[in-house]
Amino acid sequence: GAGVSQSPSNKVTEKGKDVELRCDPISGHTALYWYRQSLGQGLEFLIYFQGNSAPDKSGLPSDRFSAERTGGSVSTLTIQRTQQEDSAVYLCASSPSSGAETQYFGPGTRLLVL
Amino acid sequence: GENVEQHPSTLSVQEGDSAVIKCTYSDSASNYFPWYKQELGKGPQLIIDIRSNVGEKKDQRIAVTLNKTAKHFSLHITETQPEDSAVYFCAASWGFNKFYFGSGTKLNVKP
Repeated sequence: GAGVSQSPSNKVTEKGKDVELRCDPISGHTALYWYRQSLGQGLEFLIYFQGNSAPDKSGLPSDRFSAERTGGSVSTLTIQRTQQEDSAVYLCASSPSSGAETQYFGPGTRLLVL
Repeated sequence: GENVEQHPSTLSVQEGDSAVIKCTYSDSASNYFPWYKQELGKGPQLIIDIRSNVGEKKDQRIAVTLNKTAKHFSLHITETQPEDSAVYFCAASWGFNKFYFGSGTKLNVKP
């Protein structure tokens, strides 16, 4: 079946502009995660959605970052007033349910802020 | 919060040799430790995992060991092959809601 998909695959933007990154999880998966991966670094947790529960936003680095998940499926990560340090790969993952171990990752969106 | 450290950052081995990657964690409440393989241009993929009530787990050429007392866990790859070349990440989690990742190990298997 289809895996996790993310769009766009690459995004180049100018400093100060807003960007929206999209994640389509595997159908039926109730848990969704966003991570940021800077060049040569590990994955930094950003936000976690589980069903209809309030999301865990504890990893968002600043108030310029926000995310929403509509209808328990598609999620959008928005970065306002982008800065050069926001340049990274943004990865989305989904898992079947709360407490499920396996996360299935999408290919990521490579964001470059000029 | 949890802090996961991973070593080495790069590892080069000859085909057929073994490779070992080590991670330490700080939060004794962590109870789930997955390992991911990330190939160029792709998202990480789970290759093996271990829970805190188990000391060792093996899957063909891959094994993971866990020392809860010392708070460290290791990935062992035997009989390495060129297709094992990738970046490997360890992670730690409590309750599967939030995962803390190591900084990654770039493994190069030379034919």
